[in-house]
Amino acid sequence: ELKVEQNPLFLSMQEGKNYTIYCNYSTTSDRLYWYRQDPGKSLESLFVLLSNGAVKQEGRLMASLDTKARLSTLHITAAVHDLSATYFCAVATSGTYKYIFGTGTRLKVLA
Amino acid sequence: GAGVSQSPRYKVAKRGQDVALRCDPISGHVSLFWYQQALGQGPEFLTYFQNEAQLDKSGLPSDRFFAERPEGSVSTLKIQRTQQEDSAVYLCASSLRSQRSGGNEQFFGPGTRLTVL
Repeated sequence: ELKVEQNPLFLSMQEGKNYTIYCNYSTTSDRLYWYRQDPGKSLESLFVLLSNGAVKQEGRLMASLDTKARLSTLHITAAVHDLSATYFCAVATSGTYKYIFGTGTRLKVLA
Repeated sequence: GAGVSQSPRYKVAKRGQDVALRCDPISGHVSLFWYQQALGQGPEFLTYFQNEAQLDKSGLPSDRFFAERPEGSVSTLKIQRTQQEDSAVYLCASSLRSQRSGGNEQFFGPGTRLTVL
């Protein structure tokens, strides 16, 4: 059964600092997604990663995928308060319909 | 509207009551998903529709849960004889292509927060 783990679960960081969130998954996957969720809100799609070595960047966030290591990273550069949210990765496997979400990383950026 | 909508946004039910949660996906989207999100957790897959066909219902926690999408657009998630453990946010998501097409970005609705007393 596919399992998805994120770490850290909680992250408190100062504005201007860099940090990386990790997403590990247990079986072969050809699709990995990152989402953002603000408190009391729904999920917003950030990145779709489809191949080994894929790298995507949007503003201060950059996501990458290593399918051989079964690892995706979400790197935050020079964090700002507006990035405070919970970040989820989700993985789907070939031939299935379901997405498995990680437990989420709750990020708090301190001014 | 431009996005996925869900109704009601909040629902309080007494234990044993039946509830129906509605999802209006983005027009033309083939795929529709239902998820259950408990407080502080990630969404958990419940079921998947490709147009009107329910292709995967492996995540439905019991036979009290039933979902339908009869005309391939609006979907309803019904929970019979609600229990306290059913309290959660129920999220609906749609995507343009079928799930097996790959690279499918999901667009989520605002969710329905169900509280069972």
